[in-house]
Amino acid sequence: QVQMVESGGGVVQPGRSLRLSCAASGFTFSRYAMHWVRQAPGKGLEWVAIISYDGSHKHYANSVKGRFTISRDNSKNTLYLQMNSLRVEDTAVYYCARPKVGAVFDYWGQGTLVTVSS
Amino acid sequence: DIQMTQSPSSLSASVGDRVTITCQASQDVSNYLNWFQQKPGKAPKLLIYDASNLETGVPSRFSGSGSGTDFTFTISSLQPEDIATYYCQQYHTLPAFGQGTKLEIK
Repeated sequence: QVQMVESGGGVVQPGRSLRLSCAASGFTFSRYAMHWVRQAPGKGLEWVAIISYDGSHKHYANSVKGRFTISRDNSKNTLYLQMNSLRVEDTAVYYCARPKVGAVFDYWGQGTLVTVSS
Repeated sequence: DIQMTQSPSSLSASVGDRVTITCQASQDVSNYLNWFQQKPGKAPKLLIYDASNLETGVPSRFSGSGSGTDFTFTISSLQPEDIATYYCQQYHTLPAFGQGTKLEIK
């Protein structure tokens, strides 16, 4: 069965960096584009970034552009999100999401909480 | 960027009621519109994709309609397990979500 497990969240000070991982299984990871979506505490969903199936194309939300980098290792079936220059407003649960087509997210991880606080 | 506006932000209804949520896009998104259900502490769950297609395994009391800029999500007969927050999401351009509609039992 399809499973995605995020890790790497935690408490970090403003301005510092953190790398999230999303380990995928149960499907052919290298055939799918992958996304990160986040949710601040008590708030709605916010799309963060997409990476193409082969890693050659990437797009970001304006709120994270220039600070976050999405990447993948298809040999390890793992998606990453490198987050630099973190801000208090980046505090959120971060989900990886797999689209079955386009950006129709049919599978999500359980999420990992990132807290940016001094 | 395309903005998605859901209405209402919160809704209280009784078991068995017909519930309707609307979602308006700031520009034409064709039928690239999905609906998700999210329960507290859980990841979102896909219910409807491409405006009106019911995801496999989702009860038929859920439905969606619309195209262009105006969309509707309906629960034909509200059940206690439907208590959740519902989000619309477009993907005509880079994905964007509505602000959510919190559904409560009256």
